[in-house]
Amino acid sequence: AQSVTQLDSHVSVSEGTPVLLRCNYSSSYSPSLFWYVQHPNKGLQLLLKYTSAATLVKGINGFEAEFKKSETSFHLTKPSAHMSDAAEYFCVVSGSGTGNQFYFGTGTSLTVIP
Amino acid sequence: DGGITQSPKYLFRKEGQNVTLSCEQNLNHDAMYWYRQDPGQGLRLIYYSQIVNDFQKGDIAEGYSVSREKKESFPLTVTSAQKNPTAFYLCASSRRPSYSNQPQHFGDGTRLSIL
Repeated sequence: AQSVTQLDSHVSVSEGTPVLLRCNYSSSYSPSLFWYVQHPNKGLQLLLKYTSAATLVKGINGFEAEFKKSETSFHLTKPSAHMSDAAEYFCVVSGSGTGNQFYFGTGTSLTVIP
Repeated sequence: DGGITQSPKYLFRKEGQNVTLSCEQNLNHDAMYWYRQDPGQGLRLIYYSQIVNDFQKGDIAEGYSVSREKKESFPLTVTSAQKNPTAFYLCASSRRPSYSNQPQHFGDGTRLSIL
């Protein structure tokens, strides 16, 4: 079975400071993991994905995430927050077998304080 | 540019009425999905389709129906049996559904409200 836990429902950072959004996963096999961002009243945009290649994954807009199998974690980071980063972020693990089903975390709302 | 188009952006439903949400993609993707999003929750899968003329129920299919007559189109009907339809509905698509490492691409959603 697959599941995702996003450890913080809300995170607030000051502009220019680092961002850390935490995600733990549960999977019975080697997972594929994704981070998506959602701005208000918009769809989800793919930030980055891990698919068993390099454990440090670089994405768009300066975000990156590190896959740590021993900790079953896939935390999202960015060195310096911008105002435009304020949004909802979802960690996703992909299921096996048919359908390519995604299992979503409940989301982390990021606020950037000017 | 390729992408997923959902329409309308806002939709209002009267009591006892069925409404249909449109989803069209020009990405040549085989698989398509419908999700429901409620505040403070992640996305929940309603239906998915891996190929034309075939679809499967997701976790919350009751009160919804779909069809997949064309590869590009996957409309969702919210029936009167769905007693709490107010939500944000997202359509997604992906390549090669049997490969779990393929990302899903999302439309911009339809917000459905009850009159």
